[in-house]
This record gives sequence, C-alpha cells and structure tokens, in this order.
Amino acid sequence: DAGVIQSPRHEVTEMGQEVTLRCKPISGHDYLFWYRQTMMRGLELLIYFNNNVPIDDSGMPEDRFSAKMPNASFSTLKIQPSEPRDSAVYFCASSLGSVTGELFFGEGSRLTVL
Amino acid sequence: DQQVKQNSPSLSVQEGRISILNCDYTNSMFDYFLWYKKYPAEGPTFLISISSIKDKNEDGRFTVFLNKSAKHLSLHIVPSQPGDSAVYFCAASGHDKIIFGKGTRLHILP
Repeated sequence: DAGVIQSPRHEVTEMGQEVTLRCKPISGHDYLFWYRQTMMRGLELLIYFNNNVPIDDSGMPEDRFSAKMPNASFSTLKIQPSEPRDSAVYFCASSLGSVTGELFFGEGSRLTVL
Repeated sequence: DQQVKQNSPSLSVQEGRISILNCDYTNSMFDYFLWYKKYPAEGPTFLISISSIKDKNEDGRFTVFLNKSAKHLSLHIVPSQPGDSAVYFCAASGHDKIIFGKGTRLHILP
C-alpha cells in the first residue's frame, strides 16, 4: 500500500524564490497535516485539514506561508518569498477519523534556502 | 511555551540493557499520548500509545507508563537492540490538538 507521498525530497533555492511542496495523503484518510522539523523547535504543526477544509492554521509562521488542499488526494504548502530561516524538513501526514490519533507521515521534504 | 517537553536531547544505552525515554507535559486537557520513532531521512512512524485512563501499555519490548498526577510519561525499551537507535518523539493530544516534543536521540551501543 502506498503511504503518504511527498515531493520534492530535497529543494535548494535562493532567498526570495517561491517554494512549493506537495503531498499526496493515504487514500481514504480524511485528515491531512503539515509539520515542520527544526533542531530548535522540533516538530511543529503548521496547519491541518479535515475533508479538504483548513481547520487550524495557527501554526503557520506568517503570511509568506500558505497551504491548499484542492481535493482529497493532493495538498500544497507554498512559501513566497522564501527566507534562509525557512530551511527545515517539512513533513506531510495523514490520518483517518481523528486529529488526535495515529498519524502516518511522509518521508519529508528537506528545504534549504540560501 | 512548550507544552510537551523531552528534556534529554540524547541518550546512550548499552545493547541488551533497558532504555528509558522521558516526556513531561503541562496541559491537563491532553487525554491521549503517543510515541513516534524516526530514522534519518524518513518520516516519523507510530510506535505505541496510551490513553489517559490507563497507566501502562505494553507492546512487545516497548512499554509506556503514564503518571497523570506528575504529568509525566516514559517509554521503556527492553532489551535495547541496535535497530532501536533513532530519534523518539513524544506526542500529546486532546481537543483537536496534537503537540510533539523536540525528540530524544537514542544511541544503542554495541
């Protein structure tokens, strides 16, 4: 069975450029989460969706970050313009039926902003 | 303000001995607790969980203990094996929120 699929796995870009990270959740899962992992802050929840609707975006750092989920099988996290402090590993995760239970994570997208 | 704290960034344990990873939380609203394991270049994977109505849950070599009065949980791995070397994240959930700790890197020494 396919797990959560993220792309790209690695992205190196220059400050000021737009970055788009993509996620395909596990088929049938109704919750989708975007997390960011850094050494300083660990795993931070940025935003989560339920049935394609954003429910809690309180973790989105600022207006430069936006996330969409146009359908049940696809989500994007966009950073525009990117800054060096955005360098991190971004994880997408999905779950079935609950926001508080077991999450299934993708392999992550490592972003480096120069 | 960290609601879930893993105060040990790293831990080294001899193979065959017991590994104990600790986690503290501050918010009484949390009613479900989970441990995730993460290998390099992979996403975290679910390991074991415990509901707030229990104080212990066991799954093979892994046992999670919950002390609600102290707002503390721990993960015991016994016996520790080389494949257990990874980063372990504690997570607490409740009221449509799930909060992760910063993680503890476990090294199993040969």
